[in-house]
Amino acid sequence: AQTVTQSQPEMSVQEAETVTLSCTYDTSESDYYLFWYKQPPSRQMILVIRQEAYKQQNATENRFSVNFQKAAKSFSLKISDSQLGDAAMYFCAYRNSNSGYALNFGKGTSLLVTP
Amino acid sequence: ETGVTQTPRHLVMGMTNKKSLKCEQHLGHNAMYWYKQSAKKPLELMFVYNFKEQTENNSVPSRFSPECPNSSHLFLHLHTLQPEDSALYLCASSQEVFFADTQYFGPGTRLTVL
Repeated sequence: AQTVTQSQPEMSVQEAETVTLSCTYDTSESDYYLFWYKQPPSRQMILVIRQEAYKQQNATENRFSVNFQKAAKSFSLKISDSQLGDAAMYFCAYRNSNSGYALNFGKGTSLLVTP
Repeated sequence: ETGVTQTPRHLVMGMTNKKSLKCEQHLGHNAMYWYKQSAKKPLELMFVYNFKEQTENNSVPSRFSPECPNSSHLFLHLHTLQPEDSALYLCASSQEVFFADTQYFGPGTRLTVL
């Protein structure tokens, strides 16, 4: 079974600074997708970024970028120029063709952004 | 409203009540999902529908009964629930059930069972 581990239950960052959230996963597959979702206090789970395992180039969406290390099975999220609106729970998720229909989620990292 | 919507946003019910959760997606997707989100636990997949057909029931107790009348609507009928069923219930949709298809989530229904 695939597992996703987020080792940081809570993180804190100052406005305008950069923060990196870590995620590791366990799989024997070579073809899969990785996702970062954001869940603000209002509870709407929003896709932040996704990465295809076959792509070597790290995905980027504006201030959000990932560091995908396939051999190390690591998928960290970097948030640059942090804003107050970035405060949320961040979930790392994994899915491949053999993992059924579910996204396999980590337990999440709560990000606090301070002025 | 765009994306995936869920009603009600909050629900309190007794163990003998019968209630239903509703999900609607406005994305033209063909697959819909119910997830359960409990505190300190990863999201748990409950049910999957693809083109209105149930494709997965992830060992969910029969007190939870899903219904998918069309590709845009998904219901979760609740009856004789237990206090441990209190959680946030999230609906999601994707183009189809392929593993490459991104899942989009609704805001959730916060369920409290007394």
